[in-house]
Amino acid sequence: DAGITQSPRHKVTETGTPVTLRCHQTENHRYMYWYRQDPGHGLRLIHYSYGVKDTDKGEVSDGYSVSRSKTEDFLLTLESATSSQTSVYFCAIRRTGAQGGPYEQYFGPGTRLTVT
Amino acid sequence: AQSVTQPDIHITVSEGASLELRCNYSYGATPYLFWYVQSPGQGLQLLLKYFSGDTLVQGIKGFEAEFKRSQSSFNLRKPSVHWSDAAEYFCAVGALLAGTASKLTFGTGTRLQVTL
Repeated sequence: DAGITQSPRHKVTETGTPVTLRCHQTENHRYMYWYRQDPGHGLRLIHYSYGVKDTDKGEVSDGYSVSRSKTEDFLLTLESATSSQTSVYFCAIRRTGAQGGPYEQYFGPGTRLTVT
Repeated sequence: AQSVTQPDIHITVSEGASLELRCNYSYGATPYLFWYVQSPGQGLQLLLKYFSGDTLVQGIKGFEAEFKRSQSSFNLRKPSVHWSDAAEYFCAVGALLAGTASKLTFGTGTRLQVTL
């Protein structure tokens, strides 16, 4: 258990509305990630953070923004939700110093987002 | 760029039978490789990892995987499958981003069904 929670766990929203998903961790990890999971695509990286106020884009960042104002929280915002953003969103942390080197990640329980 | 291929979308095995899930990767340097398992409605759980040393690695729940550099493969195996192993399995390779940041690149997953 990496002490990661995500909220909400489920959300249904309408096209064009803003949506914010929250990832909260309790272990003070520096690196945090947002992925989306879609059938036939596995997990794809949206954005990541390497410290407070330090974020960067992943491979599918269009339509998403993130913020990290404190170590424990990493927020993902859909400024104007579209149906193509219907997905399951996972937050992850990277444990530095772990045996998996600079890559070992642990995942939260996910948020299922439906955009109608 | 790195990539991961899981050629089998869906596999069905009988309880008690052996299992092998295939994973092929593409990465220019020595790879860090992972297998994750996802039960329905759950997040991803790390099964095992490889980054150096013995090419046969043991994981949780009785799983093992063998790294074969010549074949660019990291196949997951279990000698005797239990009904509770029914889940989706993801292979991933670690890759560096800018600075000290890193990410995981995932395959598209293999869904395992276990018949009684």
